[in-house]
Amino acid sequence: GAGVSQTPSNKVTEKGKYVELRCDPISGHTALYWYRQSLGQGPEFLIYFQGTGAADDSGLPNDRFFAVRPEGSVSTLKIQRTERGDSAVYLCASSATGGGYNEQFFGPGTRLTVL
Amino acid sequence: AQRVTQPEKLLSVFKGAPVELKCNYSYSGSPELFWYVQYSRQRLQLLLRHISRESIKGFTADLNKGETSFHLKKPFAQEEDSAMYYCALLGGYNKLIFGAGTRLAVHP
Repeated sequence: GAGVSQTPSNKVTEKGKYVELRCDPISGHTALYWYRQSLGQGPEFLIYFQGTGAADDSGLPNDRFFAVRPEGSVSTLKIQRTERGDSAVYLCASSATGGGYNEQFFGPGTRLTVL
Repeated sequence: AQRVTQPEKLLSVFKGAPVELKCNYSYSGSPELFWYVQYSRQRLQLLLRHISRESIKGFTADLNKGETSFHLKKPFAQEEDSAMYYCALLGGYNKLIFGAGTRLAVHP
């Protein structure tokens, strides 16, 4: 079966622009996570969805970052007024449920470059 | 504070040598710890978790609560073990808290 997919694989934008990053989780997975990985660092948690709702958005760095999952499947991470410091690989992961630990399966990531 | 520390950015060994990738954590409570691996041009994937007490691809990791460590070990490294290794701690809402990672390079 298909794993987690993310589009685009690469995104280059200019400072101040708006970007959307998409995540397609494994079919049937109710839990979805976004992480951000800066160069030389491990992934850093951004937000967790259980179904359609954001159960934990404590990792979003500021109000320029927003994520949605309107139908409990595909999720979109939205970044407004991008800054050079937003350049990173954005990873999405999904797991079967959010209760108790279920293995998180990661997507290939979207590499965002802000010029 | 919940934190994972991997003190080595790079570990370079020869094939057949023992390997130990260090991981220390900070967590109040009973921790759940994992090792994730990322091979070249592949996505991040789970290698093992302490609760399973399993050996995967010859790797083992023992949780030492006294030393707050979860080091990853393999007695005889293989070239195909070359990869980035991340230690991770399970935080609230099942979010993973990762260390900065260690690159393992196994030379022939």
